[in-house]
Amino acid sequence: DIQMTQSPSSLSASVGDRVTITCRASQGISNYLAWYQQKPGEVPKLLIYAASTLQSGVPSRFSGSRSGAHFTLTISSLQPEDVATYYCQKYNSPPFTFGPGTKVDVK
Amino acid sequence: QIQLVQSGTELKKPGASVKVSCTASGYTFTNYGIIWVRQAPGQGLEWMGWISGNNGNTKTAQKFQGRVTMTKDTSASTADMELRSLRSDDTAVYYCARWPLDDSAPWGQGTLVTVSS
Repeated sequence: DIQMTQSPSSLSASVGDRVTITCRASQGISNYLAWYQQKPGEVPKLLIYAASTLQSGVPSRFSGSRSGAHFTLTISSLQPEDVATYYCQKYNSPPFTFGPGTKVDVK
Repeated sequence: QIQLVQSGTELKKPGASVKVSCTASGYTFTNYGIIWVRQAPGQGLEWMGWISGNNGNTKTAQKFQGRVTMTKDTSASTADMELRSLRSDDTAVYYCARWPLDDSAPWGQGTLVTVSS
């Protein structure tokens, strides 16, 4: 099975900072990569699918990109409400494995 | 609006089985499948499996093969996930979510399953 890794596992940044989270697939998955945000005590929420397509209603400070099997979620200007754990998920074929998550805090 | 509503909290003893239900509304049930995801306390998201809303085909994560059964009732727009031979490490919140992904990606509210003697 394809393995998904994320880095860093956690980060702390200031309001207004640019934040980058990386997700790597152990094999090629084309653009079949989604990003989710899960705030404490809440249901996961889809932010981005097809590696870079922003779901409707998601703030434009979130963006996704791909370079080969290397994917990036960027928050251009971190806001207090962005405190959450972020997960990537591959979905080219089953199993639709999630990455281990990146916890984002605000300093 | 598009919605997935799950069944309520469950408390089970080790070795028992649990069935979690997921009722869809606001879209054509047979046009989408359902995936099942669980999250143990303080842990990440774990994909369990998928069922087609059209023909009922399923794919199950290797870890759960032989212990999980996913079914659907098209007439009731409901998908069920049964997990057998429960252990304490099956204690988790279980989620259903519509699949495949598109611009609306609803999840159920989650069902807490606690396994304890």
